[in-house]
Amino acid sequence: DAGVIQSPRHEVTEMGQEVTLRCKPISGHNSLFWYRQTMMRGLELLIYFNNNVPIDDSGMPEDRFSAKMPNASFSTLKIQPSEPRDSAVYFCASSGVGAFFGQGTRLTVV
Amino acid sequence: GENVEQHPSTLSVQEGDSAVIKCTYSDSASNYFPWYKQELGKGPQLIIDIRSNVGEKKDQRIAVTLNKTAKHFSLHITETQPEDSAVYFCAASRGAAGNKLTFGGGTRVLVKP
Repeated sequence: DAGVIQSPRHEVTEMGQEVTLRCKPISGHNSLFWYRQTMMRGLELLIYFNNNVPIDDSGMPEDRFSAKMPNASFSTLKIQPSEPRDSAVYFCASSGVGAFFGQGTRLTVV
Repeated sequence: GENVEQHPSTLSVQEGDSAVIKCTYSDSASNYFPWYKQELGKGPQLIIDIRSNVGEKKDQRIAVTLNKTAKHFSLHITETQPEDSAVYFCAASRGAAGNKLTFGGGTRVLVKP
């Protein structure tokens, strides 16, 4: 298995623009997590899904953030409109037994 | 909710020496404790985990210990090598599958040749 696949690896966008991050989990994993990593706040859980259903979105910073999982092999995290303080590395992880992370998307909002 | 504290935040060791990282957690219902290694520009990589029904687990040069009564767990790396240099994260959750992980703040380990 190729592991968790995230795209794009890097994204630079202007403030106010919409950003969509994508994730393909490991086949057969039933849980998917979106984390954000910054120097100041470390690894923060934004939202997670079990069997494509959102279970806990209490970590989503505000209404500008939304996440979907339309099927077992794909999830998106969308930020609209983006702001400079959203700049961070965003990780997707999937879990069967134990959680496995993708390589992340480094987002820079200028 | 769960709170995980990790110490130290940085650790410098001489090659061949041992490194120990300690974590405490707050939720007595947590029963799964993984450790991750993150290298520059990469995602966290699961290196070892331990469940609450086990007190210690070893995998080559890496070992983890768990004290459920005291709510703390530790990572031990023996015979450190330069390639062990990375940021290490501990985490806790209420189960290995389908439950969110709460991470510690990370420990930057530098192994000096």
